Amino acid sequence: GENVEQHPSTLSVQEGDSAVIKCTYSDSASNYFPWYKQELGKRPQLIIDIRSNVGEKKDQRIAVTLNKTAKHFSLHITETQPEDSAVYFCAASNQGYGGSQGNLIFGKGTKLSVKP
Amino acid sequence: NAGVTQTPKFRVLKTGQSMTLLCAQDMNHEYMYWYRQDPGMGLRLIHYSVGEGTTAKGEVPDGYNVSRLKKQNFLLGLESAAPSQTSVYFCASRGTGDRFHGYTFGSGTRLTVV
Repeated sequence: GENVEQHPSTLSVQEGDSAVIKCTYSDSASNYFPWYKQELGKRPQLIIDIRSNVGEKKDQRIAVTLNKTAKHFSLHITETQPEDSAVYFCAASNQGYGGSQGNLIFGKGTKLSVKP
Repeated sequence: NAGVTQTPKFRVLKTGQSMTLLCAQDMNHEYMYWYRQDPGMGLRLIHYSVGEGTTAKGEVPDGYNVSRLKKQNFLLGLESAAPSQTSVYFCASRGTGDRFHGYTFGSGTRLTVV
């Protein structure tokens, strides 16, 4: 089955700096890679996702890159703000059609702290 | 449109007691999931369902049972609670094909087994 590794487990940056979180996956059939943000005591919230037919996707200060050959993908947050402080999870699954749909498997999370 | 609703939000059980967690979604999603979240472990899949009347095991199914009698509801049962089941439980659902827009999570149930 799929296995997702996420690094680092904690990340501290100064406000305005960039933050990068990296994940690797094991199943070459995986084709859907979302990122979730979870604030303390809240539910995971989808912030961005990417499918395997593109190498990069950007949404304002957040971007995700995907390297299918190396089986790794990364979250980039630019111009970090204190409200970006949270735990971020990467995940992977095979969102195929018909009978080949897999389940979302999560990394263990990265606690991001943005210092004012 | 409430999305995914979980009840209860908090519960304390004694070892050996049983309980059922309810997940309800109003998005007509085919797939539903139960995850548990423990510190430093991320979210781990307990059981899932690909449609009404179907269930399947995930990564950590032992000690749990599930049922999906109606499309909108997915129940997670603990027959004999153990302290190791102290965790935060999240339900999620998603559509398929053109109706896939990512997973939607409920607000979670914090369960403590003493």
